[in-house]
Amino acid sequence: EAGVAQSPRYKIIEKRQSVAFWCNPISGHATLYWYQQILGQGPKLLIQFQNNGVVDDSQLPKDRFSAERLKGVDSTLKIQPAKLEDSAVYLCASSLTRTYSNQPQHFGDGTRLSIL
Amino acid sequence: GQQVMQIPQYQHVQEGEDFTTYCNSSTTLSNIQWYKQRPGGHPVFLIQLVKSGEVKKQKRLTFQFGEAKKNSSLHITATQTTDVGTYFCAVSGTYKYIFGTGTRLKVLA
Repeated sequence: EAGVAQSPRYKIIEKRQSVAFWCNPISGHATLYWYQQILGQGPKLLIQFQNNGVVDDSQLPKDRFSAERLKGVDSTLKIQPAKLEDSAVYLCASSLTRTYSNQPQHFGDGTRLSIL
Repeated sequence: GQQVMQIPQYQHVQEGEDFTTYCNSSTTLSNIQWYKQRPGGHPVFLIQLVKSGEVKKQKRLTFQFGEAKKNSSLHITATQTTDVGTYFCAVSGTYKYIFGTGTRLKVLA
């Protein structure tokens, strides 16, 4: 099966600019996650979707970050305006769930974001 | 909030030596997952543990869930250079998983 697709792989922007990331999960996976991974740390969950509904966005900085999954398939994560501290790898993951249950998460290759 | 600590943070071993990483939670867990992330790569699911005291093996890797379901360990027997990477535990919170701090393993040939 095809894996989780993410684009772009790399992005360099200046602070205060905006940026968007795209994710296409594995076909049939109802749950989609966006994680932020700062160098040397574990992934931190930003937002979790179940189909097109938000399950958890408690750690999403909502004043600058937004995410949507309008048709319950692919998703976009946006940062506007970017800050230096947003430099990180943004990982998208998906899992086969229809209700909350214990399923492996399948990760994409991530987008490495550098803020100048 | 729930905290997940992994120890050690780093481990350098000679090829052929054993390696163990520990994952400790401040609260009782319903289940735990383990992931491996190679340098420059993304996390890859290894295994999930659900039952108290559960032990699972994958070739040279042995995973254990504590009796009180508050900790877990991953043990690698006779490490190889292909084992290099960071090993994360992920514990289930309310509707989401929380990743540990990770243990970075280097294997010296």
